Formats: sequence, C-alpha cells, structure tokens
Amino acid sequence: LAKTTQPISMDSYEGQEVNITCSHNNIATNDYITWYQQFPSQGPRFIIQGYKTKVTNEVASLFIPADRKSSTLSLPRVSLSDTAVYYCLVGEKDSNYQLIWGAGTKLIIKP
Amino acid sequence: DGGITQSPKYLFRKEGQNVTLSCEQNLNHDAMYWYRQDPGQGLRLIYYSQIVNDFQKGDIAEGYSVSREKKESFPLTVTSAQKNPTAFYLCASSMVGRSSYEQYFGPGTRLTVT
Repeated sequence: LAKTTQPISMDSYEGQEVNITCSHNNIATNDYITWYQQFPSQGPRFIIQGYKTKVTNEVASLFIPADRKSSTLSLPRVSLSDTAVYYCLVGEKDSNYQLIWGAGTKLIIKP
Repeated sequence: DGGITQSPKYLFRKEGQNVTLSCEQNLNHDAMYWYRQDPGQGLRLIYYSQIVNDFQKGDIAEGYSVSREKKESFPLTVTSAQKNPTAFYLCASSMVGRSSYEQYFGPGTRLTVT
C-alpha cells in the first residue's frame, strides 16, 4: 500500500525560502503528486501539482525526483500569512485513482 | 460565482440524534467527497461518489450514510451509530480520473454532539 510521510511541523522566518518534503512509496506511476494548503477552520486549497521534475506557479514550486519516492514543496520568501498546514496527496499504485493524503505539516512563520 | 457550499457552518445535536450535513456544488464536477477532520489531525475519507446514484465507502464510513440523487448535491447523514461524531466535516468536489487530484473544498461544517 502507498504510504506518505511528512514532518509534523516546521518553523521559519519571514522572507526565507521554505521547503517541505513528503516521502511516498508505492504510489501510482503515472499520476500527479499534489499539494494543498489549509488554514484553521477552512477547507484545504489546491497549491500545485506535478508529475515529474519541477513545476512552478505564482505561489510555489514543486520538485519531484526521477524515482518519485518523494516530493518537495518550495515556498519562496514566506510571509506570516503562509502559516498553515500543508498536505501532500498521491495516488495508490495500481488503483483506480484511490488517493492517499499525507498527515500534514504545520508550518509556522515567525516575524 | 462557482463554488462549493456547506451548511450550516456550526451544528449542535444531542447524542442519539441523526443529523444531515448539506453539500452543494455548481462546478459541474462529477465527483464529490466527504472528509472528517479531528483537531490537529489530517483528512480522513468517509464516502465518495463519482457519478449520480453511485457512491463508495471511504476509510471511515461506519456510522455515516450518503446519497447522490443529483449531480450538484451530496448530503451526509451522521447517524446515532457513529461513536464519536463531534468533528469538522469537509465536502469536496472534482472532475474524475487524473483530475481527481485537484479537489475543491467547501468551508466545512463543525458538528458538536453532546
């Protein structure tokens, strides 16, 4: 079965780059790896997804090595408003889009 | 203004009562999902539906029931058989297939049972 591992929490400071890694094995070979952001008492919000190598959008970058056993969400120059919980989402290998959520990483940004 | 709505935002019930949480979407999505979130914890899938009149159990379906009579609506009933119903309930929708990784979430319903 697919399994994901994320750090429970991370701290950083405003203006820094933050990298959050999700380790995952037995995931679907040809499907997306997706990351979400969740603020307290709100639903998660899609941030970015990728299949391999590097993807960048206006808020984040996603790095996926060739073996796809991990993925790293990179947040450039974080601000206090980036304090949130970040989840990775992957697919179970050889399944019909059975999705597996990571446990989440609580990111705290300090002034 | 497209989106996914859940009502009510807060819900209080006495133990032993069934309660139904509403979820509506106007995104024309085929798939809809219900998740449960306990304080400080991640998302756990209760039920999901990929097409009208069909739905599948998720990881923690016991004590819950759903229906999908319309594409836009996916109500969740928390029955008296659910041992610990107090939680934050999130509804989501997406397209199917590879697009199911991009889910749109509602604002959630916080259920308190005493």
